[in-house]
Amino acid sequence: DVKVTQSSRYLVKRTGEKVFLECVQDMDHENMFWYRQDPGLGLRLIYFSYDVKMKEKGDIPEGYSVSREKKERFSLILESASTNQTSMYLCASIRSSYNEQFFGPGTRLTVL
Amino acid sequence: GENVEQHPSTLSVQEGDSAVIKCTYSDSASNYFPWYKQELGKGPQLIIDIRSNVGEKKDQRIAVTLNKTAKHFSLHITETQPEDSAVYFCAASPYNNNDMRFGAGTRLTVKP
Repeated sequence: DVKVTQSSRYLVKRTGEKVFLECVQDMDHENMFWYRQDPGLGLRLIYFSYDVKMKEKGDIPEGYSVSREKKERFSLILESASTNQTSMYLCASIRSSYNEQFFGPGTRLTVL
Repeated sequence: GENVEQHPSTLSVQEGDSAVIKCTYSDSASNYFPWYKQELGKGPQLIIDIRSNVGEKKDQRIAVTLNKTAKHFSLHITETQPEDSAVYFCAASPYNNNDMRFGAGTRLTVKP
């Protein structure tokens, strides 16, 4: 079974802190994604990566950056956390030329 | 870009009844339409999908229909059970799947 793991299930940070969210997949998938999930808005794409060191902006990249130094790991970085970044963050991965995205369990981030 | 609308936002049914969730999309280039189920505390998981060359697909109690002309697709769950209670997301994507757009989600409650 494909497994996508995220480093934390719950995280509480203060405004202005630098926050790292880590995602690891164990199935050698080329493509990885970071989404943000908010009530009534569904899943919105923040960034995705189709290869090591490659990244593309999604719909809401402002305030976020990403890093993909290894194929299995995709990190989301909040350089200076703000209260409006309080949300559920979901990581997903997919093999190129396939369609099903496999999601991690999510990280619920609260910024105080 | 693609815009996916999903209705209703909440749905409550009695155990054994059917549930229908509807989605519309805007981009005629979309040709892959998955449905994801998200249980409490977990990431979304694919339950069924359909491609644009097919009008209907069924898997046990779950079925999806697609009307490409009208740009809408629906999820049908028959003989609902309490374990069907979850949030369901529809999505639409062109073939490369790096631009998958999600609906806002439907919270389904099945009352015993």
